[in-house]
Amino acid sequence: AQSVTQLGSHVSVSEGALVLLRCNYSSSVPPYLFWYVQYPNQGLQLLLKYTTGATLVKGINGFEAEFKKSETSFHLTKPSAHMSDAAEYFCAVSTGTASKLTFGTGTRLQVTL
Amino acid sequence: SQTIHQWPATLVQPVGSPLSLECTVEGTSNPNLYWYRQAAGRGLQLLFYSVGIGQISSEVPQNLSASRPQDRQFILSSKKLLLSDSGFYLCAWSVRSFGDQYFGPGTRLLVL
Repeated sequence: AQSVTQLGSHVSVSEGALVLLRCNYSSSVPPYLFWYVQYPNQGLQLLLKYTTGATLVKGINGFEAEFKKSETSFHLTKPSAHMSDAAEYFCAVSTGTASKLTFGTGTRLQVTL
Repeated sequence: SQTIHQWPATLVQPVGSPLSLECTVEGTSNPNLYWYRQAAGRGLQLLFYSVGIGQISSEVPQNLSASRPQDRQFILSSKKLLLSDSGFYLCAWSVRSFGDQYFGPGTRLLVL
């Protein structure tokens, strides 16, 4: 069985500062890893994903994440935060059939002036 | 392009009343379909998933059921709602053999 741990339920950064949202996973087989973003009262939007190949994955809105197998991590970063990045972010892992995803509990990102 | 619809967007129901939430997908065939619930301040809990018409897998025992009467239609139901059924219900789809899931706009259910 797989699991996902997101460290920090709330993260606050200043506009223009680095964004770092942490995600660690547990999986007995090579994982597929995902980051989703959720704006208030909306569904989830796929930011980026890692399946195989290059371990540094670039996504939408300037976000990227790096798969580190030795650390079982898939942290999400963005060099410069924008006010529009304020949202909740979910890390997820998939390994089984039917593409089932296991989600972390989410990290709420606040961006301040 | 693919589109996923959910309705209603918001629903307020009394305890003990029935429930029917509908999800439809356009622009793809034979998708995997999923129902999630998101309670306030918590992550997403997978409720049901389906790999084909009439094929439903339940992830957790609860007061809800799901059905897939057509290839691109997924319905979440309850005969008698409980207060604990309140939450934000999300439908999602994926292409078989790939992990990406694409989510609908959600239905906010409040049981009073």
